[in-house]
Formats: sequence, structure tokens, C-alpha cells
Amino acid sequence: NAGVTQTPKFQVLKTGQSMTLQCAQDMNHEYMSWYRQDPGMGLRLIHYSVGAGITDQGEVPNGYNVSRSTTEDFPLRLLSAAPSQTSVYFCASTSPPGLAGTLYEQYFGPGTRLTVT
Amino acid sequence: DAKTTQPTSMDCAEGRAANLPCNHSTISGNEYVYWYRQIHSQGPQYIIHGLKNNETNEMASLIITEDRKSSTLILPHATLRDTAVYYCIVIRAAGAQKLVFGQGTRLTINP
Repeated sequence: NAGVTQTPKFQVLKTGQSMTLQCAQDMNHEYMSWYRQDPGMGLRLIHYSVGAGITDQGEVPNGYNVSRSTTEDFPLRLLSAAPSQTSVYFCASTSPPGLAGTLYEQYFGPGTRLTVT
Repeated sequence: DAKTTQPTSMDCAEGRAANLPCNHSTISGNEYVYWYRQIHSQGPQYIIHGLKNNETNEMASLIITEDRKSSTLILPHATLRDTAVYYCIVIRAAGAQKLVFGQGTRLTINP
């Protein structure tokens, strides 16, 4: 299986434009999350979802919308891009507790590098 | 969730054990210690987690002190590919999809 995939890998937007960052996972995980990472910083949570139809805000939700119509997909929408949204965006899905002692391990996608000019 | 403190950077020679410390003195009884790493520009990668017992998997070992106020991640035979930023995160299991990343430790493995 492919794990967590993100498209596009790179994107340049002009201020005020809108776009959708795509995220998909094929592991049937209920939990999915979006993070952003600014240069030299740790990741910050934007939005998360605990299942289809259920989303909630993270630490830095302003300027972003999410929806979760299927278990597999969790797109992130930038409503009106601003230079402050220049960042690397990571999508993640979280495994549930498992028989092998696994417990809520997050699997991250490769990231989308967004520049807003 | 408990706050963690990690050294900003560390160096280790290739082939030696890399020991990465983490302080989490305000950890609660129901909080786990998770370790992730981020190799340059890639998405973070799960390494290991523990509650109070020491844990080992194919990637690393996690040693948690008896009072649970600190822990050490051990990479037993570090390779150049282990050069990365390592994040120690303390979190309740139920909140583990909402990770809070600090600055982490930048580990450099030297040949």
C-alpha cells in the first residue's frame, strides 16, 4: 500500500488565490491531521479529523478549511492565500491500537511545499 | 499535555550508540512518551513510544526513568542515515492524533 500521499509536491500561489491541497491514505485509518512547518520550526497542527464527517480545529486553523467526506481523503483548502501561509504542509493519518502493541502511531505524507508571493 | 525539554543539537560518531535525552518533569500518569524523527525535508517518522517500561523495537530503544520525569532514546549503532531532527512528545493516548512538536534535537552522525 502507498501509505499517505499528498499532491501537489510544490505550489506557488499569488496572494488572494485559493487552492486545495490533497491528502489520501489507504490504511483505513479514522484519524487524519494537517500540520504546517515553517523554516527551522516544529510542526503545528492546523485541523484534524476523527472520522468521516467529523473535523476539528488545531492550533493554527485560521485561513484554512477542511472536510472529510470519505475515510481515505482529507483535503485542506486555502481560502485566500497570504504570504504568511508560505510553509511546508504535512498530512498524517494515525493508526489505532493494535494487537502487536501499536498505539496511535502517526504516518506522515511527503509534504507540499507552498510559496505565496 | 506535558512539556518536554531536549538539547538543541548533538553529534555522534558513526557506529556508536546515540543517546538522546528528554526531560518531561510534569508528565501525568496517563501520558505516553513518543519519539519521532524528521530526516531533512521529509515527513516525520514514528520511532517508538512507551508508558513506564523500557521498550525496544527494530529502530531504537526507549529508557524511561522510574519516576517517568525523563527518558532516553537510544540508537544502538548509528549510521549516517540517522542524521535527523528527533522529537520527544508526551501526550495522552486519546490525543495522539494531535501531536505538539517542539524544536527537537538535531542529531548529526559523523563519519
